Amino acid sequence: AQKVTQAQTEISVVEKEDVTLDCVYETRDTTYYLFWYKQPPSGELVFLIRRNSFDEQNEISGRYSWNFQKSTSSFNFTITASQVVDSAVYFCALSGQYETSGSRLTFGEGTQLTVNP
Amino acid sequence: DTEVTQTPKHLVMGMTNKKSLKCEQHMGHRAMYWYKQKAKKPPELMFVYSYEKLSINESVPSRFSPECPNSSLLNLHLHALQPEDSALYLCASSLATGRGGEYFGPGTRLTVT
Repeated sequence: AQKVTQAQTEISVVEKEDVTLDCVYETRDTTYYLFWYKQPPSGELVFLIRRNSFDEQNEISGRYSWNFQKSTSSFNFTITASQVVDSAVYFCALSGQYETSGSRLTFGEGTQLTVNP
Repeated sequence: DTEVTQTPKHLVMGMTNKKSLKCEQHMGHRAMYWYKQKAKKPPELMFVYSYEKLSINESVPSRFSPECPNSSLLNLHLHALQPEDSALYLCASSLATGRGGEYFGPGTRLTVT
């Protein structure tokens, strides 16, 4: 069975602070994908990143960066110099390689990020 | 273009009504999904279509009936819903089923009265 844990239910920061959202996963698949999504109050799930389990390189996209560590089964997400527009629920998700595990996204419970001016 | 569109954005229906939710993508994706999301919870998978065939039904009640008329379209037919079915219904698509549905539409917010 697959599982994604986002231990931080809510985080509140002041604008321009850096913030890291934690994600720990469990899977028996040897090939899998990890995702981060942003869900603002409007409700749409915005795709942020997909990472293949064989690619452990960290990635940076503007103010966003991701740290994938297979040894600790973690895929953490950092927002640098946070802005009010970053306020949203962020979901980490996992999909596997087989028909049963690969045909669905297993989501964490989400982290509500509030960035205050 | 990584767009998945859904209509309507909002829907209010009575328990005896019949309505349909629509989803469309033109990315050439061959896997399409319906997810249901309740407030303050993550999305839950309902159905998966792979190459226009239903491949997964997550034990969803028969009052929800999916349909995939072609590779770009996905419908969800609703009939005799209950108030507890009120939720955000999200459509997603991906190149293949091995990615679980990467790209999501904006959702239909359904209220059953």
